Amino acid sequence: RKEVEQDPGPFNVPEGATVAFNCTYSNSASQSFFWYRQDCRKEPKLLMSVYSSGNEDGRFTAQLNRASQYISLLIRDSKLSDSATYLCVVITGYSSASKIIFGSGTRLSIRP
Amino acid sequence: EAQVTQNPRYLITVTGKKLTVTCSQNMNHEYMSWYRQDPGLGLRQIYYSMNVEVTDKGDVPEGYKVSRKEKRNFPLILESPSPNQTSLYFCASSLSKGGTPTGELFFGEGSRLTVL
Repeated sequence: RKEVEQDPGPFNVPEGATVAFNCTYSNSASQSFFWYRQDCRKEPKLLMSVYSSGNEDGRFTAQLNRASQYISLLIRDSKLSDSATYLCVVITGYSSASKIIFGSGTRLSIRP
Repeated sequence: EAQVTQNPRYLITVTGKKLTVTCSQNMNHEYMSWYRQDPGLGLRQIYYSMNVEVTDKGDVPEGYKVSRKEKRNFPLILESPSPNQTSLYFCASSLSKGGTPTGELFFGEGSRLTVL
């Protein structure tokens, strides 16, 4: 079983729709969580951190469910420019034993 | 401007010809890492470094070497490249807190390598 798993998609949704995807992680001791966005053939960029209390940035909401070991990303009122691959990132361990683990990404395509 | 710079951005080479991909960051980050990205496989970590002179293997280190002699630079060395190392490579850096990377990674623009 992969340490971090995502549905690869693609999710193909109309502009204006709300879309959500999850990412599950296997290590219950994981301590930090993030969502990154990657456009085609470009470098990944940090979208947002994910906190236990949930956090919102404009149309984007990220949530962490420690009991079920998943994080989620919700995009409201989706725009054509939201088309990208969304990567979840989990950090486990501390100091020299820490690991940054990337999910393989979920492709999102917004159609007009 | 805060950035991670990789060079070359594109390279076509032949099997066995040693090459180095440079990576430099200007943010005084302790943590640096190399990834390769292949279709359907996502980002896979090759090597990482927690600080100067401290490097460790990632998930796919075979065929690669790294060094961290200075904080800002983290070159990736392919001593004898093979066609299965054809890939898109990313360098990334991050601050650390208490020796643990924060996870807020800054990536270079990527280096597309083709080995014939």
